[in-house]
Amino acid sequence: VDLVESGGGLVQPGRSLRLSCAASGFTFDDHAMHWIRQVPGKGLEWVSFISWNSGTLAYADSVKGRFTISRDNAKNSLYLHMNSLRAEDTALYYCARDRGSRSVTVNVFDNWGQGTLVSVSS
Amino acid sequence: SSELTQDPTVSVALGQTVRIPCQGDSLRSFYASWYQQKPGQAPVLVIYGNNNRPSGIPDRFSGSSSGNTASLTITGAQAEDEADYYCNSRGNSGNHVIFGGGTKLTVL
Repeated sequence: VDLVESGGGLVQPGRSLRLSCAASGFTFDDHAMHWIRQVPGKGLEWVSFISWNSGTLAYADSVKGRFTISRDNAKNSLYLHMNSLRAEDTALYYCARDRGSRSVTVNVFDNWGQGTLVSVSS
Repeated sequence: SSELTQDPTVSVALGQTVRIPCQGDSLRSFYASWYQQKPGQAPVLVIYGNNNRPSGIPDRFSGSSSGNTASLTITGAQAEDEADYYCNSRGNSGNHVIFGGGTKLTVL
């Protein structure tokens, strides 16, 4: 199993950014996926969830209305569209696989990427 | 409330047993999972569900739960177990997920 995030970088407040996560080594559309972030030196914060078929989405209150999660099962890819970025969105963003199956999401993250760093600053 | 509380720091002597607790109302309804994170690395799942270990995780790691408290126990702590440990569970609202603030484990 391999998860590789990309798309991070330095962006000004109020601007947008799209993160990608390329998955390989497993049947991508058998699993729900999540985005989790971590401010350097701080704890983990769950950001968003998407079911295997994109039928169910969920967001942390801190990003709801600004971030949009999506996936392309044909491309084995997960995305996070981030709008109206704020300084407090600065963090390392991880994509993570849900250990469950199509029929059940268990909110257990059994594989993580190495993360992509987003810095929001003027 | 949808929060998980962890002690910020815990220490253990080499070879001894340590318990790392995680408290929260959601734990009365949902299992906790536990993740180990070493500096500069992504988190690694060590315990999930009813005391399940992913393949490759040593059997000195175990999990338990009682009421609103879940615990990660390391029996015979090794130097390589020094790391940050995070618990998580489903929150009480919708498909939300919550993490504890993390516990920094020092092996003396």
